[in-house]
Amino acid sequence: NAGVTQTPKFQVLKTGQSMTLQCAQDMNHEYMSWYRQDPGMGLRLIHYSVGAGITDQGEVPNGYNVSRSTTEDFPLRLLSAAPSQTSVYFCASSYRGGGYTFGSGTRLTVV
Amino acid sequence: GENVEQHPSTLSVQEGDSAVIKCTYSDSASNYFPWYKQELGKGPQLIIDIRSNVGEKKDQRIAVTLNKTAKHFSLHITETQPEDSAVYFCAARENNNDMRFGAGTRLTVKP
Repeated sequence: NAGVTQTPKFQVLKTGQSMTLQCAQDMNHEYMSWYRQDPGMGLRLIHYSVGAGITDQGEVPNGYNVSRSTTEDFPLRLLSAAPSQTSVYFCASSYRGGGYTFGSGTRLTVV
Repeated sequence: GENVEQHPSTLSVQEGDSAVIKCTYSDSASNYFPWYKQELGKGPQLIIDIRSNVGEKKDQRIAVTLNKTAKHFSLHITETQPEDSAVYFCAARENNNDMRFGAGTRLTVKP
């Protein structure tokens, strides 16, 4: 099992560019989510999904889109990157009501 | 929604001493309380968890206690070692709802 795989590990974007952060899990987990981590602010939920075809917003969804066409994949799309989106992004998955397995993160810088 | 508060934000102990981190939660329906350890440059890793039908759980040097009436739970690390130095996060979750995290505690264990 690879667990939760995130790509890329690092990315630099110019303001206004769009990109997709990839996340895949091979544990057949129903639940997947995206968090951003900023200094002193812990982990804040962006979007989550309770199963294929179902997504919902978290605490800080503005500027991000997600889709869940398969159980394994949960990509996060930045529509028009802004400097405020500079952060470390973590994808996580779990079975119902269980603990998360996190990916290793994507460090994004928007200039 | 759920709100999780975590204290202290930083904690420094001497090697061999004990460390205690405390969290409170707001939603009485929350029934799953995990603790994560995050080392520099890595994603959070689950180290111990407890469900609402249990008051205490122990795994070697790590223990977690839960007081449902007061809505607080704590992480206890005994005989601390330098490799315990990391950022620790508590979290709370109700079944398949999204998980909310505390802001984190940076633990430093001095040799």
